[in-house]
Amino acid sequence: DVKVTQSSRYLVKRTGEKVFLECVQDMDHENMFWYRQDPGLGLRLIYFSYDVKMKEKGDIPEGYSVSREKKERFSLILESASTNQTSMYLCASHRGPGNTIYFGEGSWLTVV
Amino acid sequence: GENVEQHPSTLSVQEGDSAVIKCTYSDSASNYFPWYKQELGKGPQLIIDIRSNVGEKKDQRIAVTLNKTAKHFSLHITETQPEDSAVYFCAVGGSGGSYIPTFGRGTSLIVHP
Repeated sequence: DVKVTQSSRYLVKRTGEKVFLECVQDMDHENMFWYRQDPGLGLRLIYFSYDVKMKEKGDIPEGYSVSREKKERFSLILESASTNQTSMYLCASHRGPGNTIYFGEGSWLTVV
Repeated sequence: GENVEQHPSTLSVQEGDSAVIKCTYSDSASNYFPWYKQELGKGPQLIIDIRSNVGEKKDQRIAVTLNKTAKHFSLHITETQPEDSAVYFCAVGGSGGSYIPTFGRGTSLIVHP
């Protein structure tokens, strides 16, 4: 069974803390994505990566960075968390254009 | 870039009724149209998809239709059940070889017993 695993499901962090959200996929996919999901706003793309060490900004990259040191792992980093980054974060991956996108279960982040 | 509009944003039906959710897209070169179901507290899961060389696809109670001329595609759920209650997203992918799928804003489907 194919899998995208987000290791942290629920986090509570303080303003100004550095936050790491980890995502691992076991399908040997080249492409990985980080989305943010907020009520009424749908899925907004933060960053994506099409290869190891490669990254591209999405629609809302401000306040975030990413790391892809290995093909199976894509990390989202909040350098200094702020309350407006409280949200649900979804990791996804796919093999290429026109292929099924697989999502993780999501990471609920609350910044206080 | 691609623009995807999804309607309605909320849909309330009685158990046993049919539900239809519609998406329109802008790029005529798009060729892959998946639908995702997201249950509360979970990530979206693919439920059905269609490619541009096919007009309709069915899987038990769900079906997707595609009208490439009009650039819209729809999800049809027949004989709805309470467990169909979820948020449904359409997506468009594959346009011009783009790696990035474009998602609709989602439809919250509520099925009343």
